[in-house]
Amino acid sequence: DAGVIQSPRHEVTEMGQEVTLRCKPISGHDYLFWYRQTMMRGLELLIYFNNNVPIDDSGMPEDRFSAKMPNASFSTLKIQPSEPRDSAVYFCASSLTGPGTEQYFGPGTRLTVT
Amino acid sequence: GDSVTQMEGPVTLSEEAFLTINCTYTATGYPSLFWYVQYPGEGLQLLLKATKADDKGSNKGFEATYRKETTSFHLEKGSVQVSDSAVYFCALSDDGGSYIPTFGRGTSLIVHP
Repeated sequence: DAGVIQSPRHEVTEMGQEVTLRCKPISGHDYLFWYRQTMMRGLELLIYFNNNVPIDDSGMPEDRFSAKMPNASFSTLKIQPSEPRDSAVYFCASSLTGPGTEQYFGPGTRLTVT
Repeated sequence: GDSVTQMEGPVTLSEEAFLTINCTYTATGYPSLFWYVQYPGEGLQLLLKATKADDKGSNKGFEATYRKETTSFHLEKGSVQVSDSAVYFCALSDDGGSYIPTFGRGTSLIVHP
């Protein structure tokens, strides 16, 4: 059974460009999470969805960040315009029954904004 | 609010040494506790969990006991291997809040042959 799939694995872009990160959760999982990991701040929850509906986006740093989940098998995290301080590893995770249960993480997307 | 505090790393050990990684927490409700492991270049994966006081979670030779009186969930392994080298994250999910997990900062473990 495939795990959580993320693409791309690495992204290098210039400041001001739009960046789109993609995630395919595990089939049947009703919850999807986007995290950001940096050395300075550790692992931060950005937003999570339940049945494709955003439930809590209080972790989204600013209006430059947006996330969508058009169907149960696909989600995107978009940064527009990107800035150097957005450089981080972005993880997508899914869970079967809720945010308090085991989460399955994807391999992450390492974003570098120059 | 909820918080998780882990010992700072890196923790450097020789193969077959005993491992302890300390984790303490604060929570408004009655949390479930987790240890996740992150191998280089990969996402986090659940190592073990405990959902109530005095429960012991165990997996792959690792274990941790939910201690409500000391608000701790220390990770232990009797004999580490080089393949255990990774970053270990303690986390909680609080039934007194939104259940959204709170993660510690992670502790890097380096095991030398």
